[in-house]
Amino acid sequence: AQKVTQAQTEISVVEKEDVTLDCVYETRDTTYYLFWYKQPPSGELVFLIRRNSFDEQNEISGRYSWNFQKSTSSFNFTITASQVVDSAVYFCALSHLNDYKLSFGAGTTVTVRA
Amino acid sequence: NAGVTQTPKFQVLKTGQSMTLQCAQDMNHEYMSWYRQDPGMGLRLIHYSVGAGITDQGEVPNGYNVSRSTTEDFPLRLLSAAPSQTSVYFCASSRKYSNQPQHFGDGTRLSIL
Repeated sequence: AQKVTQAQTEISVVEKEDVTLDCVYETRDTTYYLFWYKQPPSGELVFLIRRNSFDEQNEISGRYSWNFQKSTSSFNFTITASQVVDSAVYFCALSHLNDYKLSFGAGTTVTVRA
Repeated sequence: NAGVTQTPKFQVLKTGQSMTLQCAQDMNHEYMSWYRQDPGMGLRLIHYSVGAGITDQGEVPNGYNVSRSTTEDFPLRLLSAAPSQTSVYFCASSRKYSNQPQHFGDGTRLSIL
């Protein structure tokens, strides 16, 4: 069985603060893929990043960074110097080799106040 | 580029009515799927397809039916709508490799009275 847990339901920060979103997953497979999606208030789902299980290198993209640690089964997401436009629901998701199905976490709602 | 197109965007039904949610993609993706999004539960997979003529059940398939006669289209049918099916429905597509990100439509907000 595979499971994705996003324990933080809601996070509220003031603009320019950093915010870290936690994602913990469970899987018995050795090859799997982790994803983060953003859902802004307009409702669409936007793909942010994919990480393969065999690549633990952390990644930075502008103000976004991701910390993947297989030892703790975590794939955390940090927004540095948050902006109002970062206000959204963020989903972590998991899929496995030769299995296209995505298992989503419950999502974390981020509110950035001006 | 159209990507994944869902219609309608909003729909209100009465209990017992049937309807079809349409989904079309123009990226020649083999894999298509339907999810429902409910508060506090993330997105849950309803049905999916790995190619024309092939469909399978996801996590919450009861009350829904799908078919895949072409690569482009993957309609979702509600056979007899129930209030528990009130939700936001998303269609997604991707290349048939499990490491590929799925492209989502804009969603259909469905209310069952």
